Amino acid sequence: DIQMTQSPSSLSASVGDRVTITCQASQDIRNYLNWYQQKPGTAPKLLIYDASNLETGVPSRFSGSGSGTDFTFTISSLQPEDIATYYCQQYDNLPLTFGGGTKVETK
Amino acid sequence: QVQVVESGGGVDQPGRSLRLSCAASGFSFRSYGMHWVRQAPGKGLEWVAVIWHDGSNKYYADSVKGRFTISRDNSKNTLYLQMNSLRGDDTAVYHCARDRGVLRSLEWFPTYMDVWGKGTTVTVSS
Repeated sequence: DIQMTQSPSSLSASVGDRVTITCQASQDIRNYLNWYQQKPGTAPKLLIYDASNLETGVPSRFSGSGSGTDFTFTISSLQPEDIATYYCQQYDNLPLTFGGGTKVETK
Repeated sequence: QVQVVESGGGVDQPGRSLRLSCAASGFSFRSYGMHWVRQAPGKGLEWVAVIWHDGSNKYYADSVKGRFTISRDNSKNTLYLQMNSLRGDDTAVYHCARDRGVLRSLEWFPTYMDVWGKGTTVTVSS
C-alpha cells in the first residue's frame, strides 16, 4: 500500500498568513494526488485534484503543486473560514490512501 | 441538486451485522463509481471500499476485506455497504462519495471524490 505522510499534523496561523502543508508519498504517484478540506461535523470537500487543479467554485487562494513523491498545498492568505482539517489522498493505486490530516487553527 | 444521503447507521454489538444505504440524486448515478469512506472518532479519513459504475469491480481496504460488501442498485440510485462480523474498531462515521473517475488504458479507474454525504454513524459496542 502507498503511505501518505502529511506534515505538520497541526498548525496555528494568523488571518492573512500564508499556510503551507506538505504531503509525501512512499512511492512515485505521478500527479495522482488530491486535497480535501473538512470542517468539524461536516463532510470532506474536494479542493484540488491532480495535484494542482482547482475544483470549480474553490477560491483561488488555495493551490497545490508537486509530482512524484512530494506535494505541497498552500493557502496564500488564510481566512477565518479556512479553519479546518486538510487531507491529501493518492489514487495512483488501490487501496486509495489518505494522509493523516493537518489541522489548521488561528492564533 | 447533486447530493448523496447516507442512512442505516446505529448501535450494534460486536459480531452482528448492519447494512448502510446511500441514496443519490441530481446526477446520473449509473455513470459514476462510488466509495465508502469512514472516520473513527477523533481520527482521520480511511477509505473503505469502491465499486465501479456498473458494479463490475469492487475493491476493499484490508481492514474490512471478507467482512464488508459494497453493492449498488442503479435502478434505485442507491449504494449499499453490508457490514458483517462487526468489531469495535468499525465504530465510525461512514460517508459515501461519488468518484469522477478516469479512463486508463480504456478502463475506468477511481480518482477523486467530488460529492460527499454527511455520513451515518455506526457504533459497535457490547
